[in-house]
Amino acid sequence: DIQMTQSPPSLSASLGDKVTITCQASQNINKYIAWYQQKPGKAPRLLIRYTSTLESGTPSRFSGSGSGRDYSFSISNVESEDIASYYCLQYDNLPWTFGGGTKLELK
Amino acid sequence: EVQLQESGPGLVKPSQSLSLTCSVTGYSITSNYWGWIRKFPGNKMEWMGYISYSGSTSYNPSLKSRISITRDTSKNQFFLQLNSVTTEDTATYYCASSFRRVWVYWGQGVMVTVSS
Repeated sequence: DIQMTQSPPSLSASLGDKVTITCQASQNINKYIAWYQQKPGKAPRLLIRYTSTLESGTPSRFSGSGSGRDYSFSISNVESEDIASYYCLQYDNLPWTFGGGTKLELK
Repeated sequence: EVQLQESGPGLVKPSQSLSLTCSVTGYSITSNYWGWIRKFPGNKMEWMGYISYSGSTSYNPSLKSRISITRDTSKNQFFLQLNSVTTEDTATYYCASSFRRVWVYWGQGVMVTVSS
């Protein structure tokens, strides 16, 4: 299985900040990484697929980049509605595997 | 719009089987892929398996001997059965649909506790 190491586990930000989350895969995943947002009691919401492709409805302040084993996800100008947990998912190889998650909180 | 809704018992005894139903509206399960994903206390997420548009299945090797995913196309539902559960199977279980390899649409999740 491909291991996805996501960091940091938690993040504290002020409104308007830029925050970055990283995921490192245990092997090359050929840009097949997706990023999800999850709020308490809600289903995960797909924000980005294939490293940097924004899903319909994803605000442009969200972005993704990376290649090989190393990937990042950023939120520029954090808004209050962005307070949530974020997960990466590799879908290059079965079994699909998730990062451990990052909880974004307001400072 | 694709909508998914999980249903099933919230409490299962150790060694018994966990059985969940995912009811789908807005899209036929005879297209694309339909799966189960769980989130443990502590927030680790695990893909469990899927059933394809043709009825073929794929399972996470970590569960392969205990899991079965089936479907009823007439009701547009698919099902999860997990046998011989332990307390380590306590989790929130989500059903989801995959479009172009990514899990796009998710149900709200159902919390299942394994306890005597």
